[in-house]
Amino acid sequence: QQPVQSPQAVILREGEDAVINCSSSKALYSVHWYRQKHGEAPVFLMILLKGGEQKGHEKISASFNEKKQQSSLYLTASQLSYSGTYFCGTYGGSQGNLIFGKGTKLSVKP
Amino acid sequence: DSGVTQTPKHLITATGQRVTLRCSPRSGDLSVYWYQQSLDQGLQFLIQYYNGEERAKGNILERFSAQQFPDLHSELNLSSLELGDSALYFCASSVEGGGEQYFGPGTRLTVT
Repeated sequence: QQPVQSPQAVILREGEDAVINCSSSKALYSVHWYRQKHGEAPVFLMILLKGGEQKGHEKISASFNEKKQQSSLYLTASQLSYSGTYFCGTYGGSQGNLIFGKGTKLSVKP
Repeated sequence: DSGVTQTPKHLITATGQRVTLRCSPRSGDLSVYWYQQSLDQGLQFLIQYYNGEERAKGNILERFSAQQFPDLHSELNLSSLELGDSALYFCASSVEGGGEQYFGPGTRLTVT
């Protein structure tokens, strides 16, 4: 079951904040976040694990609500380098595969 | 540089042909994943291997097959190619299933 991301696209000015949401209809074991810049490969940002353990990026934070099966990615004081498409990926269990959402395109303007 | 290598970088071929895409995972990673990304589309999971064995299968067509060899490199075989198979194919690797994935630079396949 593919997770649903919102919004589909967002345009920011440098220094503004953004929140990207990811929700699933299935119980989640973990949520992954990746960023893909145009013409490049996706790059790992963060994993949020069931039980609250979080690993990830120094300037971007995220939350994971296990009961609601939702995760949110918080980008504060956005920089031009934050531009790209953000994908969340969800795992239903340790033996399963990662299913990615359709992505959220973030554009940061000067 | 993620440490994952993919060859070739670009591939142009005709409909009906067969191609093989190759992936070498990061040193120490046992899991290899294959994804298909069409123009402005998300990442469609195809298949996962863990230490030589198939671990999970996604929406992979019967015309497509993959394997992981004892040295842990993987190959994705695409046969009877159609125009709709034109896409960017990514390989990713991780230490174990469920961990963070590191993506290779991708192979851009164009079927004419």
